[in-house]
Amino acid sequence: GAVVSQHPSRVICKSGTSVKIECRSLDFQATTMFWYRQFPKQSLMLMATSNEGSKATYEQGVEKDKFLINHASLTLSTLTVTSAHPEDSSFYICSAGTGAGADTQYFGPGTRLTVL
Amino acid sequence: GQSLEQPSEVTAVEGAIVQINCTYQTSGFYGLSWYQQHDGGAPTFLSYNALDGLEETGRFSSFLSRSDSYGYLLLQELQMKDSASYFCAVRDKAGFQKLVFGTGTRLLVSP
Repeated sequence: GAVVSQHPSRVICKSGTSVKIECRSLDFQATTMFWYRQFPKQSLMLMATSNEGSKATYEQGVEKDKFLINHASLTLSTLTVTSAHPEDSSFYICSAGTGAGADTQYFGPGTRLTVL
Repeated sequence: GQSLEQPSEVTAVEGAIVQINCTYQTSGFYGLSWYQQHDGGAPTFLSYNALDGLEETGRFSSFLSRSDSYGYLLLQELQMKDSASYFCAVRDKAGFQKLVFGTGTRLLVSP
């Protein structure tokens, strides 16, 4: 099956710093990638939809200036959490689709962000 | 608004059968998917229903009734490794892969 990787898997940073998370589709081209946030024992909440070569579409309530998304190629999307604060600590998961009407999304292994 | 409701927790013993229900209220409906997620891991795809009825994939089956806005995941011959969280998810727009996830059900399988 299709493989999606994320880097880093875990990151601990100080409050006020910025953190970049990478999401790569390893064996297929992803025209669309999705970024989710998941708090402990809760569901996945979609943050934004990232389309290659265009601006991301953010869900209501998600600050686009705080969560910067770049989808520069068909295999890479990045999420940058700017000026991170402890309340941004969460599990961030990306997923990728092929844009071919597939009924599945392929999820990355997630990135655990802890902001001190 | 969009909502997909699931029971928060289900417990069962090895070898048993368990059903996890999902009722949804979404602006559009273009299929119901089920995902499994172990603690600290990525969600993995289990099953998908676009039309009413039962889809069977090994020990897992999924059912959909669009008229009732309801579906369920059926897990048979439960194993300890099935202990995980299970999420239903709806595609609410045609031609898009965006998913709206349910509240999630934590399944605990005991010996």
